[in-house]
Amino acid sequence: GENVEQHPSTLSVQEGDSAVIKCTYSDSASNYFPWYKQELGKRPQLIIDIRSNVGEKKDQRIAVTLNKTAKHFSLHITETQPEDSAVYFCAASQSGNEKLTFGTGTRLTIIP
Amino acid sequence: DAGITQSPRHKVTETGTPVTLRCHQTENHRYMYWYRQDPGHGLRLIHYSYGVKDTDKGEVSDGYSVSRSKTEDFLLTLESATSSQTSVYFCAISHGQALGGEKLFFGSGTQLSVL
Repeated sequence: GENVEQHPSTLSVQEGDSAVIKCTYSDSASNYFPWYKQELGKRPQLIIDIRSNVGEKKDQRIAVTLNKTAKHFSLHITETQPEDSAVYFCAASQSGNEKLTFGTGTRLTIIP
Repeated sequence: DAGITQSPRHKVTETGTPVTLRCHQTENHRYMYWYRQDPGHGLRLIHYSYGVKDTDKGEVSDGYSVSRSKTEDFLLTLESATSSQTSVYFCAISHGQALGGEKLFFGSGTQLSVL
């Protein structure tokens, strides 16, 4: 089955700086890569996703890049703000397989 | 919040007792999932359902069973709870890829403690 590795497990950045979280996946058939954000005590919520036919996707301060050859994808957050502090999960799944495999999460702390 | 509710929100039980968690949706989503969340492990799939009475195992299904007798309800049962099943359990729903709806909507979670 699919295996998703996520790094780093914790990340602290100064407010206003950028944050990058990286994930690798094992199954070359995977073609859907979402990112979920979980604030303390809350449920995970989708923040951005990308499909394998696209190399990059942006939504305001958030972007995701995908390298299919290397089987890795990354989340980029620019101009970080205190409300970006949360746990972020990457995930992967393949077409026809409705199961998402999640990474182990990254706890991002924004230092004011 | 996508019309998905979990019950109970918190539960404390003793080792060896049966426990059932309930997930209820009002969105008519085809797919329903049970995940557990543990520090250092992220979200791991226990079981999922792709229709009424249609279920399949996830990566950590041992010790758990599920049932889906109606579109809106997905039950997770721990037949004989063990301390290793102490965790936060999340239910999630989705329309599925065929409808371009892979996005998961999560419930609020159930904190289960097995003493």
